[in-house]
Amino acid sequence: GAGVSQTPSNKVTEKGKYVELRCDPISGHTALYWYRQSLGQGPEFLIYFQGTGAADDSGLPNDRFFAVRPEGSVSTLKIQRTERGDSAVYLCASSLTHAGYNEQFFGPGTRLTVL
Amino acid sequence: GENVEQHPSTLSVQEGDSAVIKCTYSDSASNYFPWYKQELGKRPQLIIDIRSNVGEKKDQRIAVTLNKTAKHFSLHITETQPEDSAVYFCAARFTGTASKLTFGTGTRLQVTL
Repeated sequence: GAGVSQTPSNKVTEKGKYVELRCDPISGHTALYWYRQSLGQGPEFLIYFQGTGAADDSGLPNDRFFAVRPEGSVSTLKIQRTERGDSAVYLCASSLTHAGYNEQFFGPGTRLTVL
Repeated sequence: GENVEQHPSTLSVQEGDSAVIKCTYSDSASNYFPWYKQELGKRPQLIIDIRSNVGEKKDQRIAVTLNKTAKHFSLHITETQPEDSAVYFCAARFTGTASKLTFGTGTRLQVTL
């Protein structure tokens, strides 16, 4: 079946603009995660959903970042008033559930560039 | 706080040789340690994982060992091949943090002919 998909693959925006990044998890996966990967670094946790609710948003860097998953499937990461330091690859991952040792499957990422 | 350190940052080996990548973690109650491989411009993919109640796990040319006392775990790749060239990330799931993973900074492995 299809893996995790993310759109757009690339997004270039100007400082101060608003952006939305979309994630389509694997069908049937109830847990969904957002990570951010800067150049030369490992993925850094942002937020995790179990179903529709954000179970852990401790990784969001500030209140400019927000994510939703209204129907428990597709998720959107929203960034307001973008800053140059927000430039990174934003990765989405999903797993069957949050419990146990379920593998997290990653999407291809959205490369965000803030000019 | 939750922290995973990974060494070395780069590793070059000749085809057929073995490669070892090491990680240490900060929380002794961590219970799950996956390893991901990321080829240039592609998504991270799980290659092997180990749970805290196991000391070693092997899958063909890849093995992972875990030393809970020392709080470190290692990835071993034997008989390396050019297609093993990639960036490898270790990760840990810390108890009480649901399923979120904390990643190391990555090791760029280059397998030369």
